[in-house]
Amino acid sequence: DAGVIQSPRHEVTEMGQEVTLRCKPISGHDYLFWYRQTMMRGLELLIYFNNNVPIDDSGMPEDRFSAKMPNASFSTLKIQPSEPRDSAVYFCASSLSRNEQFFGPGTRLTVL
Amino acid sequence: GESVGLHLPTLSVQEGDNSIINCAYSNSASDYFIWYKQESGKGPQFIIDIRSNMDKRQGQRVTVLLNKTVKHLSLQIAATQPGDSAVYFCAEKEGFQKLVFGTGTRLLVSP
Repeated sequence: DAGVIQSPRHEVTEMGQEVTLRCKPISGHDYLFWYRQTMMRGLELLIYFNNNVPIDDSGMPEDRFSAKMPNASFSTLKIQPSEPRDSAVYFCASSLSRNEQFFGPGTRLTVL
Repeated sequence: GESVGLHLPTLSVQEGDNSIINCAYSNSASDYFIWYKQESGKGPQFIIDIRSNMDKRQGQRVTVLLNKTVKHLSLQIAATQPGDSAVYFCAEKEGFQKLVFGTGTRLLVSP
């Protein structure tokens, strides 16, 4: 079992650029979550999907952020345009029904 | 991932000691709680969970205690080992599947 896979592991970009983070959940899991972790705000849920459908996006900070899940094995989180305050570690997690969430290794995003 | 803040509460223990990490939660309606461990450069890892109809649950070397009266959760680690050094987060489930995480406690274990 490969676990949750995220790419890239590190991303450095300049302000104003588009950033796309990718996630492959554990096969068979029906929930997918995107989290952001910063020193100031800790670990925050941005959005989660159930069976590829967005259920709760109330944590998405603003319209610059968007997330998609075109199929059960792939999701993206896009930031356009990126800003320095978006610098954080972004985690993807997946779960089977209401069971425990398994987290990926994270993507460390730095926006200069 | 660089997950930990500069101002996280820190618990320092000696190898072999028992550790107790505390957490206060906010929502008295929460019915499910989880402890996660996060090592440097990694995502949070599930340790143990407990439902609100219980006040204690034991795992391997870990015990979670729940006091609903004062909305307090604790994680006890027996015979703490250097490999237990990490940041520990409690989380409460809000609604059907949303987790709300606490700020975390850094555990440092000295050999």
